[in-house]
Amino acid sequence: GNSVTQMEGPVTLSEEAFLTINCTYTATGYPSLFWYVQYPGEGLQLLLKATKADDKGSNKGFEATYRKETTSFHLEKGSVQVSDSAVYFCAPFAAGGTSYGKLTFGQGTILTVHP
Amino acid sequence: NAGVTQTPKFQVLKTGQSMTLQCAQDMNHNSMYWYRQDPGMGLRLIYYSASEGTTDKGEVPNGYNVSRLNKREFSLRLESAAPSQTSVYFCASSEVVAGELFFGEGSRLTVL
Repeated sequence: GNSVTQMEGPVTLSEEAFLTINCTYTATGYPSLFWYVQYPGEGLQLLLKATKADDKGSNKGFEATYRKETTSFHLEKGSVQVSDSAVYFCAPFAAGGTSYGKLTFGQGTILTVHP
Repeated sequence: NAGVTQTPKFQVLKTGQSMTLQCAQDMNHNSMYWYRQDPGMGLRLIYYSASEGTTDKGEVPNGYNVSRLNKREFSLRLESAAPSQTSVYFCASSEVVAGELFFGEGSRLTVL
C-alpha cells in the first residue's frame, strides 16, 4: 500500500519567514497528491492538490509541486503569518494497487508562527 | 451550510460500554469515511462507504462497526469500548471516491 514520510515537527518560525515542509511518498501507479491543514479545534480541510507530474498546486500563498522523479510533494510558503499556525498533512490518493480509493495521511507537521 | 456534522463532540465511556457516533452530510456526497486521529500517527481510516448500500474496511477496522443508513448518514459503533479506542474520530465525505474530502469537526472519545 501507500506510505508517506513527512518532515518531523514541530516547526517554529517567526512571522514572514520562509516555510518548507518536506513530504515524500511511496505509491503504486500515479497518485493524486494533497496537502490538508488542521487549525486548532477543527477538522481537516483541503489546502491544495496536484493530480499529475509537474503540476503545481497553490492556495493561500502555499505551493507544492508534484515531483514524480523524486516522489515528493514539498509544501512551501514565502512569508508565513501567525494565522498559518496549524497542523499540516501530506496525503497521496491511491489510483491503483491495494490502497486503491484511499487517502493515506502522513503523521502531520505542527507549525507554530510567532509574531 | 452545515457540511459534515458529527455528534457527540465529546464522550467519556467505561471499558466495555457501547456507543454510536453519528455523522450526517448535506452536500449530497456519495462517499463517506470514518477516521481516527492519534498523536504522531496522522489519520487512519477505519471504514468507508463508497456509495449508499456499500461499506468496506479501512486500515484499522477491528472493534468497530458501521452503518450507511442512507445517502446522508454514516454511523460508527463501538460495541465494547476499550482504552485503546481513546481517540479523536473524524467523519468525512466526498462526491466520489477521490482525494478531496470534507471533514467534520471531530468527536473526542475517552475510554476509561
